[in-house]
Amino acid sequence: QQPVQSPQAVILREGEDAVINCSSSKALYSVHWYRQKHGEAPVFLMILLKGGEQKGHDKISASFNEKKQQSSLYLTASQLSYSGTYFCGTATNSGYALNFGKGTSLLVTP
Amino acid sequence: ETGVTQSPTHLIKTRGQQVTLRCSSQSGHNTVSWYQQALGQGPQFIFQYYREEENGRGNFPPRFSGLQFPNYSSELNVNALELDDSALYLCASSPQVGDGYTFGSGTRLTVV
Repeated sequence: QQPVQSPQAVILREGEDAVINCSSSKALYSVHWYRQKHGEAPVFLMILLKGGEQKGHDKISASFNEKKQQSSLYLTASQLSYSGTYFCGTATNSGYALNFGKGTSLLVTP
Repeated sequence: ETGVTQSPTHLIKTRGQQVTLRCSSQSGHNTVSWYQQALGQGPQFIFQYYREEENGRGNFPPRFSGLQFPNYSSELNVNALELDDSALYLCASSPQVGDGYTFGSGTRLTVV
């Protein structure tokens, strides 16, 4: 089942912070975060695993609330290069492929 | 070899035709997944292969089929193309199931 992302779109000024949320109605094993720029492939940012393990980008932070089946991606001191569409992908089992949300469009302006 | 390469980048087909899309993954990436991404939407899971065997499938009809080869390449085949099949098709590979994906740039398929 597709996870739900919020907000759908965000506009920031350079240096501002943003939080993107992802929630699922099913118990999750992992949450992945990707960023896709227009016309390009999605790029891996981070994995958060059940049990607290995280793997990914040093400058990106995220959380995973296992009780609520929710994850949040924290973008601090945003840069112009942060612009793009952010997708969360969720897996209910370690062997399963990802179901992606509809995405959150982030635009960082000068 | 690094990265994931997909071919062709763009393709126009007529309704009812068949199409084969190709993907070349990084060496050592035993898992490959294919996704369909409609404009303005998130990628939708088609199927996943691990070590040349299909081990997961999304909500797509049987006319969507695939293969994974020992040299880390894979194919997505779509028969009896429909107008709604027009989309960006993404190949994503990872060393093991559950690892972060490396995506290819995709094949933009237009069915007319």
